[in-house]
This record gives sequence, structure tokens and C-alpha cells, in this order.
Amino acid sequence: QKEVEQNSGPLSVPEGAIASLNCTYSDRVSQSFFWYRQYSGKSPELIMSIYSNGDKEDGRFTAQLNKASQYVSLLIRDSQPSDSATYLCAAYSGGGADGLTFGKGTHLIIQP
Amino acid sequence: DTAVSQTPKYLVTQMGNDKSIKCEQNLGHDTMYWYKQDSKKFLKIMFSYNNKELIINETVPNRFSPKSPDKAHLNLHINSLELGDSAVYFCASSRTGGFRYTEAFFGQGTRLTVV
Repeated sequence: QKEVEQNSGPLSVPEGAIASLNCTYSDRVSQSFFWYRQYSGKSPELIMSIYSNGDKEDGRFTAQLNKASQYVSLLIRDSQPSDSATYLCAAYSGGGADGLTFGKGTHLIIQP
Repeated sequence: DTAVSQTPKYLVTQMGNDKSIKCEQNLGHDTMYWYKQDSKKFLKIMFSYNNKELIINETVPNRFSPKSPDKAHLNLHINSLELGDSAVYFCASSRTGGFRYTEAFFGQGTRLTVV
């Protein structure tokens, strides 16, 4: 069974610091990975995707993938109060239209 | 212009009733999905449709039936609603064609409350 694991938190980080969010996945054939941000009462919003081992940077966000360890992470630099949300890690491992397997999310709180 | 839109946003109904949720996407995607998010915020896939064909059905009760009149629309019909069906239901869509195209874009969600 495909599983994506995340620490549910809450993870509390001071404003301006680096927030580090982690995720592991069980299916070794997983090919692509995504980080979604979800504010309370809102829909998930895609913020990063990563397909290859290593780092991928986009503004204040860096996604990291280590397929050997089956590990994905998201770093948020210069954290802002507006970054406070639940962050969902998702993996895709099927062919065709199998959809994404989501973790249960990490609740991030940025303290002003 | 909303990319993935679903209606209604809120739905309150009594046990035993039948209800439908509608979804439309204007992204030109080939695949649409229904996800369910429970009270603990766990997001789990229910169905996906690719070019009007059901691709997967994740052990969802047969009271739930997806209907896709065309690749831009995917509706969800629920019969004999139960208290446990209360959740937020999200419609989503994605391209198809390889692992680099599977990022899903979500609608705003429908909060279903069964009383």
C-alpha cells in the first residue's frame, strides 16, 4: 500500500527563520513529488514539485529529494506569518491517471 | 476565471437523502479526480476519470457514483447519505502523459454536512 508519512506538528518557527518540513514515502517506484500549502478552510495550493534527486529552489522555497532514502523535504527561508498553514506532501507512483497519494500534512506556525 | 470550480461550496442535508456535487475545469486537462478530506484533514483520492473513463476507484462505497459528461466536467452523486459522509470533497484535475504532468489543481471544495 502506498503511504506518505509526515509529522503532523504543530511545527512552530520564529519569523525570519528557516522552516524545515519532512516527508517519507513507502512506494519505491514513486516518480514525482509535490508540496501543497493549505490554509484553513481553503483548497490545497501547489507550491513545489520535484522529480530528480537533489535540490530545487523557487524563491524562498527549496524542495529536496533523496530517492535512496525515500525522503522529501521542503525548506522555507525567511519565514513569514503568512506561511502559517498546513503543508501537504504528495507522491505520484502510478501510470496514467492514478492520482496523488497525500500525507496527513504538517501544521506550520510562524511566530511573529 | 476559475480553473477548477465546484458547486455548491456548502451542502447541509439529512441522512438518507441523495445529493450531487458538480465540477468543471477549464484547464484543458485530460484527467479529473474526486478527493475526500476528513475531519483530521487527511486527503484521500476517491475516483479519477481519464477521457470519460473511470480509471481507479479506491474502495469507495457504491453509494458514491461519479459521472463525467465530457472531459471538462466530473460530477459526484451520493445516494442514501450517512453521517460518516460528512467531509470536504475536492475536485481536481491534471494533465496525463507522464510523471512530470501529474500535479493536481484543486477546486475550492464542497463542505458536506449530514445531519
